[in-house]
Amino acid sequence: KQEVTQIPAALSVPEGENLVLNCSFTDSAIYNLQWFRQDPGKGLTSLLLIQSSQREQTSGRLNASLDKSSGRSTLYIAASQPGDSATYLCAALSYNTDKLIFGTGTRLQVFP
Amino acid sequence: SAVISQKPSRDICQRGTSLTIQCQVDSQVTMMFWYRQQPGQSLTLIATANQGSEATYESGFVIDKFPISRPNLTFSTLTVSNMSPEDSSIYLCSALDSPSYEQYFGPGTRLTVT
Repeated sequence: KQEVTQIPAALSVPEGENLVLNCSFTDSAIYNLQWFRQDPGKGLTSLLLIQSSQREQTSGRLNASLDKSSGRSTLYIAASQPGDSATYLCAALSYNTDKLIFGTGTRLQVFP
Repeated sequence: SAVISQKPSRDICQRGTSLTIQCQVDSQVTMMFWYRQQPGQSLTLIATANQGSEATYESGFVIDKFPISRPNLTFSTLTVSNMSPEDSSIYLCSALDSPSYEQYFGPGTRLTVT
């Protein structure tokens, strides 16, 4: 059974810092891994999708990497801004079940 | 990419009543899902909404409590039946886009049961 965990659970940093959010998963038989952003009381916004054959994806100040063999993904946020404050969720889409399994999330606060 | 809308965006309901949430996708998708997010928690999959057949429910969720319809490839409904305060959550609809297998989410329905 796929289990996805995220570290840290919460993070508070000053504006301008570079950040790394960690995601680990127990079953490497995945189609892809997806990173989402969720603002309080809102739905999920897809940030980056990494297919199982890829090692990383980039979008603007965001870079996500995937290491299937170790069951890990990281989301790198460069030059953080207060507008980046949100909860970040990773989710793995498993081959065996066709279901997206979510991590526990990292709540990020970037202060001016 | 798929754009998903949900109605209502929020509701306050009394114990014992039912609420039906609608989910509309702007393109045809093969797979649609319903999730629940309880306060301070991550997302939990309720069921996969299958077009033309009964939904597939996850452990802990039953059809009598959460009946789901999916009449076509762009629309689904989730009903929360005989509500109790424990059903207070955000309910999210999602769709799986092919061939990328990227999953998109609606804005959610915030349900409060009093």
